[in-house]
Amino acid sequence: GQQLNQSPQSMFIQEGEDVSMNCTSSSIFNTWLWYKQDPGEGPVLLIALYKAGELTSNGRLTAQFGITRKDSFLNISASIPSDVGIYFCAGQKAGSYQLTFGKGTKLSVIP
Amino acid sequence: NAGVTQTPKFQVLKTGQSMTLQCAQDMNHEYMSWYRQDPGMGLRLIHYSVGAGITDQGEVPNGYNVSRSTTEDFPLRLLSAAPSQTSVYFCASSPKDRGRLGTEAFFGQGTRLTVV
Repeated sequence: GQQLNQSPQSMFIQEGEDVSMNCTSSSIFNTWLWYKQDPGEGPVLLIALYKAGELTSNGRLTAQFGITRKDSFLNISASIPSDVGIYFCAGQKAGSYQLTFGKGTKLSVIP
Repeated sequence: NAGVTQTPKFQVLKTGQSMTLQCAQDMNHEYMSWYRQDPGMGLRLIHYSVGAGITDQGEVPNGYNVSRSTTEDFPLRLLSAAPSQTSVYFCASSPKDRGRLGTEAFFGQGTRLTVV
């Protein structure tokens, strides 16, 4: 099946540091989304992107829809302990209802 | 507003048994879907529905059936459980927003299934 390549797989950072992660594909997507999953919970939507080049913020989180439509980026500024979790990217192709998910980036924050 | 409710939260099955995972949403969303999550694999789509009476297969449909008789409910049935179906199962629903469907998914808390 279609795959999204998400990197890095895991990160250990100090509290207060900025974080960057990305998602790439060999195919074009019309929508990119970023989700966060806390342990034992379902994923929760953080940011949705609908236009190539779009840059959208949600508090300390900023995500961008790549110009080529084949990638997306998520940045977290000034990380805090509650940022710990798994971050997933997801894409939706034109004319499709289906979301394709990346394998996730596991973030650990060291106080 | 309960959102997306999945039951049960935990289940252990013996190989060959059948069971139904329940999913209900109270947000009047047209689109509902089932995913399975395995370690290091992300979420993979099993089946989805764009409205009552309409279902379709996702990436990994084998061994599972779904039905959508109402807008609110979207049960997932395991026909004959196998150890390979040990996983965490998530149900999600999405509204139709500005013509888009299936985009901004709201997930349930998951069902942790073990097949022995």
